[in-house]
Amino acid sequence: AQSVTQLDSHVSVSEGTPVLLRCNYSSSYSPSLFWYVQHPNKGLQLLLKYTSAATLVKGINGFEAEFKKSETSFHLTKPSAHMSDAAEYFCVVSGGTGGFKTIFGAGTRLFVKA
Amino acid sequence: KAGVTQTPRYLIKTRGQQVTLSCSPISGHRSVSWYQQTPGQGLQFLFEYFSETQRNKGNFPGRFSGRQFSNSRSEMNVSTLELGDSALYLCASSLAFGGAAYEQYFGPGTRLTVT
Repeated sequence: AQSVTQLDSHVSVSEGTPVLLRCNYSSSYSPSLFWYVQHPNKGLQLLLKYTSAATLVKGINGFEAEFKKSETSFHLTKPSAHMSDAAEYFCVVSGGTGGFKTIFGAGTRLFVKA
Repeated sequence: KAGVTQTPRYLIKTRGQQVTLSCSPISGHRSVSWYQQTPGQGLQFLFEYFSETQRNKGNFPGRFSGRQFSNSRSEMNVSTLELGDSALYLCASSLAFGGAAYEQYFGPGTRLTVT
């Protein structure tokens, strides 16, 4: 079985400071991992994805994530937060045998203070 | 290229009624997945269709059903609506089923309110 845990339900940062959104996953095989962002009253947008290539994945809007198999983590980072980054972020695990499933984490709400 | 479209965007129904939601995927995408998003349960996977066949199913009761047409458009149906079915229903399309390696493109959702 696979699962995904986002360790923080809310994260608050000041504009211009680094962002860290934490995600741990559980999987019995090599999963595909994604980060999606959902701005208020908008649909979900893919930020980045990991599919067993490079462990450091670069996404849109300056976000990146590092796949660490030993820690079963896929944390999302950004060097400098912008006001427009305020949104909800979802870590997603997908793939598997016997029926592929896509599982979303509970989400992390990012607040950016001016 | 046009994005994923969902109709209607908003819907109000009464308990016991049934409802049909529609999703048109991005041109060329053959996989369509449906999700339910609520404040309490978050985003939950309903089912996935590829080439008119249901490939995966989440843990929802049989009142939730779906289908996919030959042009890849998909519909989901909820019968005997309950108050707890009030949610944002999201549709996502991708090139292939399974999710692995293929990112999903989401529509804006249909907001269903059951009174």
